[in-house]
Amino acid sequence: AQSVAQPEDQVNVAEGNPLTVKCTYSVSGNPYLFWYVQYPNRGLQFLLKYITGDNLVKGSYGFEAEFNKSQTSFHLKKPSALVSDSALYFCAVRTNQAGTALIFGKGTTLSVSS
Amino acid sequence: SAVISQKPSRDICQRGTSLTIQCQVDSQVTMMFWYRQQPGQSLTLIATANQGSEATYESGFVIDKFPISRPNLTFSTLTVSNMSPEDSSIYLCSVTRGDSAEAFFGQGTRLTVV
Repeated sequence: AQSVAQPEDQVNVAEGNPLTVKCTYSVSGNPYLFWYVQYPNRGLQFLLKYITGDNLVKGSYGFEAEFNKSQTSFHLKKPSALVSDSALYFCAVRTNQAGTALIFGKGTTLSVSS
Repeated sequence: SAVISQKPSRDICQRGTSLTIQCQVDSQVTMMFWYRQQPGQSLTLIATANQGSEATYESGFVIDKFPISRPNLTFSTLTVSNMSPEDSSIYLCSVTRGDSAEAFFGQGTRLTVV
């Protein structure tokens, strides 16, 4: 069975500091990994994905994530946080089989203070 | 990407009644997915809707409670039947496209049952 773990309910960082939001996963076979962001009263926005290739993937709004197969992790990072990055972040996984649904982690609230 | 329109965006319903949520996609897609996001929680997959066949429900969700229709490749409905306050959630429609690994989401339907 597939599963995603986001061990932190909340991450607090000061504006301008680097941020990391953690994610580990469990899936049989080669995983497709994703990060989504949800702002209050808005839908889910896609940030980035890992399918294959370079372990460091870059996405929207300056975010990046590093795929680590041995640690089954896919942590979200940003070198310099902005107050506007404050939102709820979801890690998701699915198998590489076409037509399968995403399985989501519980979400991590990122709070960036000025 | 895919543009997904969900209706209604929100509703307040009396317990014991039913609500049908519509999901319209701007292009043909094979698979459509329905998720529930309970207050302060992650997204939980309700069912997968494949055009021309019965929806496939996840553990804990049954067709009598959440009947789904998928009459064509661009449209689906989810009905929340015999509602109780515990059904108060955001319901999201999602699709994947063959040329893209990530899922796209509608804005969601915020349901409050009183």
